[in-house]
Amino acid sequence: DAGVTQSPTHLIKTRGQHVTLRCSPISGHKSVSWYQQVLGQGPQFIFQYYEKEERGRGNFPDRFSARQFPNYSSELNVNALLLGDSALYLCASSLQLRGQRDTQYFGPGTRLTVL
Amino acid sequence: AQSVAQPEDQVNVAEGNPLTVKCTYSVSGNPYLFWYVQYPNRGLQFLLKYITGDNLVKGSYGFEAEFNKSQTSFHLKKPSALVSDSALYFCAVRRWAAGGGNKLTFGTGTQLKVEL
Repeated sequence: DAGVTQSPTHLIKTRGQHVTLRCSPISGHKSVSWYQQVLGQGPQFIFQYYEKEERGRGNFPDRFSARQFPNYSSELNVNALLLGDSALYLCASSLQLRGQRDTQYFGPGTRLTVL
Repeated sequence: AQSVAQPEDQVNVAEGNPLTVKCTYSVSGNPYLFWYVQYPNRGLQFLLKYITGDNLVKGSYGFEAEFNKSQTSFHLKKPSALVSDSALYFCAVRRWAAGGGNKLTFGTGTQLKVEL
């Protein structure tokens, strides 16, 4: 079975632009989460979606938004890009929202560089 | 609030020797603990998790982790290290919070280097 897929793999943008990152979860998984990993740090939680609704939000500005589609795929949008948004953006999927034994499985990430 | 500490930025070990990567956590209530591994320019790969039950958890690629509630630790171990184990290892804690989702909170990572 295919794992979590993300597109694009790499992206270069300039300050002020906006970007859309895409994620397809593992088949059968209904929850998608987004994380930002800045170089040298652990991933930081941005959003969690389940059944097309936002179920959790991390400490990120309103420039960051996301949505989940009926097929459970998801998009992360970032507006008015700043240099500090340069990072690896990771998508993770899980079967449920709050399953005690649930595990989040990560995709390969999208490397965003803001110039 | 929940947090994870990985006190060592880097761990060096000779191939064939046992390895330990340390992790301590802080969370209210029962902790759900995870280890992930990251190879260069790749996403995170799930290794193992502790939810409840036996304090010694076995995972992928021969890794195991020991949960110690009194010391709030969840150290990753392997009896015999391989050069191919060289990677960045992350410990994480998961806790449900209303409005905060079922998020993972990660440590800063420990770079494991296994040498011949």
